[in-house]
Amino acid sequence: SQQGEEDPQALSIQEGENATMNCSYKTSINNLQWYRQNSGRGLVHLILIRSNEREKHSGRLRVTLDTSKKSSSLLITASRAADTASYFCATDGDSNYQLIWGAGTKLIIKP
Amino acid sequence: GAGVSQSPSNKVTEKGKDVELRCDPISGHTALYWYRQSLGQGLEFLIYFQGNSAPDKSGLPSDRFSAERTGGSVSTLTIQRTQQEDSAVYLCASSKPKPGQKNTEAFFGQGTRLTVV
Repeated sequence: SQQGEEDPQALSIQEGENATMNCSYKTSINNLQWYRQNSGRGLVHLILIRSNEREKHSGRLRVTLDTSKKSSSLLITASRAADTASYFCATDGDSNYQLIWGAGTKLIIKP
Repeated sequence: GAGVSQSPSNKVTEKGKDVELRCDPISGHTALYWYRQSLGQGLEFLIYFQGNSAPDKSGLPSDRFSAERTGGSVSTLTIQRTQQEDSAVYLCASSKPKPGQKNTEAFFGQGTRLTVV
């Protein structure tokens, strides 16, 4: 069963604006990860947030985690054309190792 | 190489033929995953290898799919008697689980785009 579900499914914004994507999951987790995928090929790890953390920053990225709501958000500030990609969240759920993925949010940055 | 390498990058095959997809993980990474991704969709788990443990094959969609990992390094995903619905991008990822951590960052290859005609 799908663990992570991102919303919105697609997001189109102007360059320079902030983009926010959300991920919801169903079971308890140890950590949650966000990945980016360009052009339907390999995914690139962006950030990992542990279940005992509430917020984490990396450059223009800000991730929050609310374990009581079983949700996470990824904020990209001052978006650039190069941020155009699909963004996925992944959780471990009840598994010891298996990452479970949502369907992703397709982000389009308009110049 | 420094990253996960997959070959071929693209494969077109006729329905009913067998195909082999190769994944060369990052040296020292004990965990290796195979995923399948259809156009515009999320990642579908296929199989997981961890060290010398028995692989988790629970995601393989049918007995036409099999995978092996020789010597704890290179992995081959084999699809026998390919069908059109097998057309997808097949992604391989590796990671190095840390003591006390259940999941760490996964490093992905660029995938193999399989087209069955």
